Amino acid sequence: GAVVSQHPSRVICKSGTSVKIECRSLDFQATTMFWYRQFPKKSLMLMATSNEGSKATYEQGVEKDKFLINHASLTLSTLTVTSAHPEDSSFYICSALGSTSGPDTQYFGPGTRLTVL
Amino acid sequence: RKEVEQDPGPFNVPEGATVAFNCTYSNSASQSFFWYRQDCRKEPKLLMSVYSSGNEDGRFTAQLNRASQYISLLIRDSKLSDSATYLCVVPSQDSGYALNFGKGTSLLVTP
Repeated sequence: GAVVSQHPSRVICKSGTSVKIECRSLDFQATTMFWYRQFPKKSLMLMATSNEGSKATYEQGVEKDKFLINHASLTLSTLTVTSAHPEDSSFYICSALGSTSGPDTQYFGPGTRLTVL
Repeated sequence: RKEVEQDPGPFNVPEGATVAFNCTYSNSASQSFFWYRQDCRKEPKLLMSVYSSGNEDGRFTAQLNRASQYISLLIRDSKLSDSATYLCVVPSQDSGYALNFGKGTSLLVTP
């Protein structure tokens, strides 16, 4: 149990295009999901907290108008990178808060590797 | 102090060795702690949760010292498949259930 999927797993796009990444909790409901970003050889950095039915909470330095988050259902959150630029190339990972192994265990999706040319 | 700090590594150890990683954290109010394992270009996977003084699962033992705000992970009888990056993770002080990740310690187990 406690499986989280992400789609797509990899995307290559031209500068200026928008990219949507989906994060789904497959066998549990997640009122809270998180979006992280990881640059090469760096730690995961939290971008935003996504709550079902309400606006996302963004971390300092993350532009909410550039990284649009929608959490319209208890099993789906989407991250849209608008007008992507090469510096947005990174590994984007979502996680969903579940209670299978503990009250605050997070289950991670497999990640989406974004390359902006 | 940074929220989560880990041994920089890398650790290169022979198969069968015992290896320990250390981690310090700044949020004295934290009640839960985690060790995640991350393989190259993959997502982190939960290895162990620590809610009290420690936890043991087979060859893996995590110990918590609240007074010193210090967590350790001990791996006994290392296997080649243990080669990965080990992430010390502590809930964020500011973001509800969000997690703060250490930079990770790289482990390479050699034949």
